[in-house]
Amino acid sequence: LAKTTQPISMDSYEGQEVNITCSHNNIATNDYITWYQQFPSQGPRFIIQGYKTKVTNEVASLFIPADRKSSTLSLPRVSLSDTAVYYCLVGDAPGDDKIIFGKGTRLHILP
Amino acid sequence: GAVVSQHPSRVICKSGTSVKIECRSLDFQATTMFWYRQFPKQSLMLMATSNEGSKATYEQGVEKDKFLINHASLTLSTLTVTSAHPEDSSFYICSARDSQRGTDTQYFGPGTRLTVL
Repeated sequence: LAKTTQPISMDSYEGQEVNITCSHNNIATNDYITWYQQFPSQGPRFIIQGYKTKVTNEVASLFIPADRKSSTLSLPRVSLSDTAVYYCLVGDAPGDDKIIFGKGTRLHILP
Repeated sequence: GAVVSQHPSRVICKSGTSVKIECRSLDFQATTMFWYRQFPKQSLMLMATSNEGSKATYEQGVEKDKFLINHASLTLSTLTVTSAHPEDSSFYICSARDSQRGTDTQYFGPGTRLTVL
């Protein structure tokens, strides 16, 4: 299973764009990259998933360079309610038997 | 997106009693479900993988006789914490894999807060 490395914490201000980068140097050919958001005392919530290049949905964008050894979650115009822990996971491809969570990035949005 | 529920959302019990937590996939079938435990300010720790119709696979260091897992159907897995002790107090989260979707994404339940007195 590919290991991921993320910043432990980040601070930003309301209205700004926030980019969280995740390193996954040992990503396998069939691995997808998935990001989850977790609020205190809640289960993780799926944000976005991608395999290569760029993926965008109503919540975020995910940028994946050609070598796929890293990825960047981009949150446009954050608000206070985006304060949460964000986890980058690699794997989740069809047939994977389990996902191991890293430490995640604790994002704190300031007014 | 897919919905996973857990019941109960929180439970308080006395030391020595057993507690059962249910995990249900509400709008999809899940041949595989996962159970995690999370302590305050820490990440989720995978406890076991629950497979419908077969025995669960436990992670190293997780006692299978203490944390009983039953995956009775394609939409239900249960975790029973037997003879609970205060150190078992934690936030227990399940997830279910929607194997009918192309990418096998996991969807997480809302979690169950267990407090053992």
